Amino acid sequence: NAGVTQTPKFRVLKTGQSMTLLCAQDMNHEYMYWYRQDPGMGLRLIHYSVGEGTTAKGEVPDGYNVSRLKKQNFLLGLESAAPSQTSVYFCASSTWGSGATDTQYFGPGTRLTVL
Amino acid sequence: RKEVEQDPGPFNVPEGATVAFNCTYSNSASQSFFWYRQDCRKEPKLLMSVYSSGNEDGRFTAQLNRASQYISLLIRDSKLSDSATYLCVVGRNTGGFKTIFGAGTRLFVKA
Repeated sequence: NAGVTQTPKFRVLKTGQSMTLLCAQDMNHEYMYWYRQDPGMGLRLIHYSVGEGTTAKGEVPDGYNVSRLKKQNFLLGLESAAPSQTSVYFCASSTWGSGATDTQYFGPGTRLTVL
Repeated sequence: RKEVEQDPGPFNVPEGATVAFNCTYSNSASQSFFWYRQDCRKEPKLLMSVYSSGNEDGRFTAQLNRASQYISLLIRDSKLSDSATYLCVVGRNTGGFKTIFGAGTRLFVKA
């Protein structure tokens, strides 16, 4: 039981390049989330999903797209990376229903640098 | 003003000390409250949920004051292994789904 996994762990991009971050969970959770964490800012929600085939915008969605084609996977895409997207990205999942009131389980994070 | 505010610290305490963290939230519609722990360069992990009646887990005690809109975490008999950043988290489903993380309070426990 791996919990929540993320790939890659590290990545360096040049401005304008694109990439996809993959999150996978093996806990059969309905809800999945993508956050970014910047110094002094706390975690901020980018996008989330309440089930397979659904996605919704969070607090800071601009510049990102997501897809949830399978229940266990949640992909975060950057179409044209900008230096402002340099951050640590965390994926999380939670069980069901109310989402905001459930315990969230986090992946180990992806450290992205955009030059 | 941030919706969830914490003292960033750092708090530097000796082993065995008692340390308290406070967190305030601005939205009275908030429904759920948590403390998460985050070690350096690692992911956040749930430390404990916070209930209106207060709750305790070993050396850790969490309190919620809805009237004043603040949450507290008390750590007794601090251990070196308690050194980490403690995140206050507030959630609600009214007015849209929202989970708000505080920026965290850093704790260093020294021998």
